[in-house]
Amino acid sequence: GQQLNQSPQSMFIQEGEDVSMNCTSSSIFNTWLWYKQDPGEGPVLLIALYKAGELTSNGRLTAQFGITRKDSFLNISASIPSDVGIYFCAGGSGAGSYQLTFGKGTKLSVIP
Amino acid sequence: NAGVMQNPRHLVRRRGQEARLRCSPMKGHSHVYWYRQLPEEGLKFMVYLQKENIIDESGMPKERFSAEFPKEGPSILRIQQVVRGDSAAYFCASSRPNQPQHFGDGTRLSIL
Repeated sequence: GQQLNQSPQSMFIQEGEDVSMNCTSSSIFNTWLWYKQDPGEGPVLLIALYKAGELTSNGRLTAQFGITRKDSFLNISASIPSDVGIYFCAGGSGAGSYQLTFGKGTKLSVIP
Repeated sequence: NAGVMQNPRHLVRRRGQEARLRCSPMKGHSHVYWYRQLPEEGLKFMVYLQKENIIDESGMPKERFSAEFPKEGPSILRIQQVVRGDSAAYFCASSRPNQPQHFGDGTRLSIL
């Protein structure tokens, strides 16, 4: 089956630093999405990407859909304590990209 | 503007019992998806439904698991004769056609 490799697995950063994480796959996906999950809650959609090469921002977050459609990265600028959580990438496949394949997540810790 | 509602949030069952998990999609969303998450893992796709139709159940175990999304009422994920290995967090997501999926906060199923 399709698999996503998400890295790094975990990160410890100082408040105010920038963060970068990425996902790679051997399979092509039609869409890439980035979600954040806090303990005991469901994933919350951060950014959705639909076209190869697309670069999209949402506040301090920026994500890009790789040109080969096999990878994506997420950057967070000027991190703050509430950025703590687990960030998941998900690749969409199937008609309408309904079937999401998730990475194992990047656990972000922010040191005040 | 309620999001995806799942209940119960926590469910404890003994081996051999039945578990019924409910999901009410966001208002205006006609597509429902169920995912399963084990600790330290990403979400795994189980099934995709539209009203009264199962579109794709390729991620669902062939035995003991079933899902429905009736014309009226919530979507139900049903697990019969539960076993210890069914312990996990089960997440429901909903969407409009060809739009990103939004997740509920999950049901944490524990099997004694």
